[in-house]
Amino acid sequence: DGGITQSPKYLFRKEGQNVTLSCEQNLNHDAMYWYRQDPGQGLRLIYYSQIVNDFQKGDIAEGYSVSREKKESFPLTVTSAQKNPTAFYLCASRLAATSTDTQYFGPGTRLTVL
Amino acid sequence: QQQVKQSPQSLIVQKGGISIINCAYENTAFDYFPWYQQFPGKGPALLIAIRPDVSEKKEGRFTISFNKSAKQFSLHIMDSQPGDSATYFCAASTNLSTGKLIFGQGTTLQVKP
Repeated sequence: DGGITQSPKYLFRKEGQNVTLSCEQNLNHDAMYWYRQDPGQGLRLIYYSQIVNDFQKGDIAEGYSVSREKKESFPLTVTSAQKNPTAFYLCASRLAATSTDTQYFGPGTRLTVL
Repeated sequence: QQQVKQSPQSLIVQKGGISIINCAYENTAFDYFPWYQQFPGKGPALLIAIRPDVSEKKEGRFTISFNKSAKQFSLHIMDSQPGDSATYFCAASTNLSTGKLIFGQGTTLQVKP
């Protein structure tokens, strides 16, 4: 069963803690993306990666970090520097950087800071 | 100039009616315009997409109308059903090689039985 999995579905964090959100895909897609979704603001791009061991900042990268050590995995770390981390986080993937294919999204992780 | 403005923010339609959601953009370099459908607690799913070389694309009950000169595009849902109740996002991309999408703010659609 191919697709994008994100874990956990719900995550609670205390202020000052770093947390890592998991994103795995078995679609053999080269490109992967992280978005943040807040009510009434649509989706905003945090980071993206077109190939293994390479990634670029999106529009709201401050307070976040990523790694891309494997093709199928693109974890996102929300650091204590992120001032307002409570949000719904979505991971997406795409077949290839030069493909005309579009992005396919995972089910999301809802992060709440207590 | 990178923004995509979407309206209305919310929409209520009777079953069988037509739902219309509009988006406007400024950046003429945008060359790909997808629409995504999102149910509560789920990730968005691609519904339909269009490129600026065509003025209309239809897939089942869903139609995108594209007006290049006005820099506007819209989603029409014909014969709206309660199962269509969801949040809809328009998006635009300037560069297919990176796949970076700029999203509208979203429209919450409620179809009443």
